[in-house]
Amino acid sequence: AQKITQTQPGMFVQEKEAVTLDCTYDTSDPSYGLFWYKQPSSGEMIFLIYQGSYDQQNATEGRYSLNFQKARKSANLVISASQLGDSAMYFCAMREPGANNLFFGTGTRLTVIP
Amino acid sequence: DSGVTQTPKHLITATGQRVTLRCSPRSGDLSVYWYQQSLDQGLQFLIHYYNGEERAKGNILERFSAQQFPDLHSELNLSSLELGDSALYFCASSKTSGGALAKNIQYFGAGTRLSVL
Repeated sequence: AQKITQTQPGMFVQEKEAVTLDCTYDTSDPSYGLFWYKQPSSGEMIFLIYQGSYDQQNATEGRYSLNFQKARKSANLVISASQLGDSAMYFCAMREPGANNLFFGTGTRLTVIP
Repeated sequence: DSGVTQTPKHLITATGQRVTLRCSPRSGDLSVYWYQQSLDQGLQFLIHYYNGEERAKGNILERFSAQQFPDLHSELNLSSLELGDSALYFCASSKTSGGALAKNIQYFGAGTRLSVL
């Protein structure tokens, strides 16, 4: 079974608008971490935001926030006030304690329209 | 800039050849991870080293090997290359080995794009 599912292959958003990128995950471990990374066309992977399963509040980092719904096993990324530079692939990932690696979803390509 | 340095940025080689990819982790990070990103397989974990010791293996082929040196830099060796090995290879680093900590943020380098012709 897929540990991370990103159902939106591509998304479009108007500049200055907000956009939500979906991510659902599958784990039976009560302790886990969820991550979002951005991959621009240049190829590098940029860490954006982290949410721990026991964190009481949704994570925020500048224009990025994570809409964490534990019961639904979803960790959607919200980007506010989109900018042209936000156009990129976005990957959701999970790490379970005891595992060394991150499990990545298939990504969502976001295009910001001027 | 993540602080993780990967060289070379691009590598073009022929089938059957052997190449070495190099990674320097962020200052103070003891863990190095290698990932492969390809169109058909997505992002896949290959191998993890912590302070010079191999900690975990993922979907790494027997033709591939890695090591982490005393100065903590790491090398990924790919041999008997096949067309299907063409991919973007990432190195990531983190402070710890993770263990019970789910956070353990991994910072990625810019990747090495390998083209096998």
